Amino acid sequence: NAGVTQTPKFQVLKTGQSMTLQCAQDMNHNSMYWYRQDPGMGLRLIYYSASEGTTDKGEVPNGYNVSRLNKREFSLRLESAAPSQTSVYFCASKTGMNTEAFFGQGTRLTVV
Amino acid sequence: QQQVKQSPQSLIVQKGGISIINCAYENTAFDYFPWYQQFPGKGPALLIAIRPDVSEKKEGRFTISFNKSAKQFSLHIMDSQPGDSATYFCAARQGAQKLVFGQGTRLTINP
Repeated sequence: NAGVTQTPKFQVLKTGQSMTLQCAQDMNHNSMYWYRQDPGMGLRLIYYSASEGTTDKGEVPNGYNVSRLNKREFSLRLESAAPSQTSVYFCASKTGMNTEAFFGQGTRLTVV
Repeated sequence: QQQVKQSPQSLIVQKGGISIINCAYENTAFDYFPWYQQFPGKGPALLIAIRPDVSEKKEGRFTISFNKSAKQFSLHIMDSQPGDSATYFCAARQGAQKLVFGQGTRLTINP
């Protein structure tokens, strides 16, 4: 049982390049989330998807787009990467009213 | 602005001591308060959680104390062990979906 799987684990981008972070969960969860983790800032919610077909902005959505491809997959896209987007990105999922969120192992992204 | 404020940012405790991490919030719509534990290179994992109608919850060496009137809650780790060294995040749930986190506390337990 893999849980929440994120790809890639590491990525270096040049300013202005684009990329998509992939996330897949095999727990049949309805809700999926993207967070970024920065020193001293904790985990900040970028976007979330309460169910297949819906997405909503979190605390820090600027510069990002998301796609809930199906119930299993939720991707995060950076259209034009900026150094300020250097961070560790975490995907998470949970069932609708269940209170525990399960996290992936993270993607460490560096924008130079 | 951070909806959940956590302190301290880092904490060093001797083995066998008590580790205490504090969090405060303003939004009275929060209805669930979990703590997550994160080891280096891993994603956060749920440690213990409390609802606002309960003042204290204990699971083994871990206790959450909740003060609804002060809008504060804290994590106490009794008999702290080197294996407890990790980053701890408090969080608060708003509605069924949104989970917001504090800034995190890096805990080091010295042997």
